Amino acid sequence: KAGVTQTPRYLIKTRGQQVTLSCSPISGHRSVSWYQQTPGQGLQFLFEYFSETQRNKGNFPGRFSGRQFSNSRSEMNVSTLELGDSALYLCASSLVLSAQETQYFGPGTRLLVL
Amino acid sequence: KNEVEQSPQNLTAQEGEFITINCSYSVGISALHWLQQHPGGGIVSLFMLSSGKKKHGRLIATINIQEKHSSLHITASHPRDSAVYICAVGRMDSNYQLIWGAGTKLIIKP
Repeated sequence: KAGVTQTPRYLIKTRGQQVTLSCSPISGHRSVSWYQQTPGQGLQFLFEYFSETQRNKGNFPGRFSGRQFSNSRSEMNVSTLELGDSALYLCASSLVLSAQETQYFGPGTRLLVL
Repeated sequence: KNEVEQSPQNLTAQEGEFITINCSYSVGISALHWLQQHPGGGIVSLFMLSSGKKKHGRLIATINIQEKHSSLHITASHPRDSAVYICAVGRMDSNYQLIWGAGTKLIIKP
């Protein structure tokens, strides 16, 4: 089975722009989670989707949004980019929405905001 | 105080040494995960535990539910073990929410 894929892998944007990141989960996985990781910081949970519904949301401003499609692919959008949004954005998929399920991570998208 | 605490934050050791990374948590949990993040950013799940001990190659993970503590051990450490090791716990009162530790950065010198 193919692993979790994320596109694009690298992205450079300027302040005020918006960006859309994409995540394709492992085939058959219905849960997708998104995380932000800034240099030297741990994983910060953004949101989690299961069967096209957002089930859980982290403590991020409304500029961060996401969605999941019927094929379980997910996108996250960040509007009005700020310098502090520069980070590695990771998505992870699992079969179902459960803390007892193994999460499989994608390679991440590195976003640089200038 | 964070609900999941890892120690040490940073660890440097010589090749061949026995490594221990600790994870303490303050909430009731349904499961505990150990993951490894390589310098390139990729994250790999190592173990999921709800009790006892698991072993995979040179890696051993243990959990003590009563003491709310887990350890990840690496035997005969090797420079390729250099990575950030992350602990995450699933809260018992939430079926799916994971709480993440800050990670332990391990460097193994040849």
